Amino acid sequence: GEDVEQSLFLSVREGDSSVINCTYTDSSSTYLYWYKQEPGAGLQLLTYIFSNMDMKQDQRLTVLLNKKDKHLSLRIADTQTGDSAIYFCAVGSSGNTGKLIFGQGTTLQVKP
Amino acid sequence: DARVTQTPRHKVTEMGQEVTMRCQPILGHNTVFWYRQTMMQGLELLAYFRNRAPLDDSGMPKDRFSAEMPDATLATLKIQPSEPRDSAVYFCASGLPRGGETEAFFGQGTRLTVV
Repeated sequence: GEDVEQSLFLSVREGDSSVINCTYTDSSSTYLYWYKQEPGAGLQLLTYIFSNMDMKQDQRLTVLLNKKDKHLSLRIADTQTGDSAIYFCAVGSSGNTGKLIFGQGTTLQVKP
Repeated sequence: DARVTQTPRHKVTEMGQEVTMRCQPILGHNTVFWYRQTMMQGLELLAYFRNRAPLDDSGMPKDRFSAEMPDATLATLKIQPSEPRDSAVYFCASGLPRGGETEAFFGQGTRLTVV
């Protein structure tokens, strides 16, 4: 079945850039998503990229997609302490089922 | 402010008791997902519905879990009997399909502790 992999932990200093990486096995997804989960809260859609794009920029967020390598990344510029959270990569399941497959989540720790 | 509403937010129960979790999807969304989140397994899809019909519940232990949508504004996830290993945060999400996929909007979750 489909598999989505992320590194589990990333620590950066406030003001630095953060790059969170994700790899996936199924390439039929039309959209690829990044969700953010703050402590004690649900997942919040952060941004997404259409599969025929290779880059999308949204304020401090940059999403890069390498379809050949099945690699997705999320770059956060000028990382703030409020960015500390768990970040989930998600891709659509094959077979037009409509469901999303999530990675394990990357915990981003921002040190002042 | 459209949002997915889950109740209760927290539930502590004894092993063997029945637990019912409720979800009110965003008005107009026709797809509802139930996810379970644990430290060990991460985020697991338990079941999902489209237009109130179950499309996939293969992620759900059938002997004790059941999911239903009595109407378009209510989804329920029931565990009977509950066991300590069911302790987790249960998320409901809703969405509308587009391009073969569904962008999911999540509720705040129900934190279940079975002792």
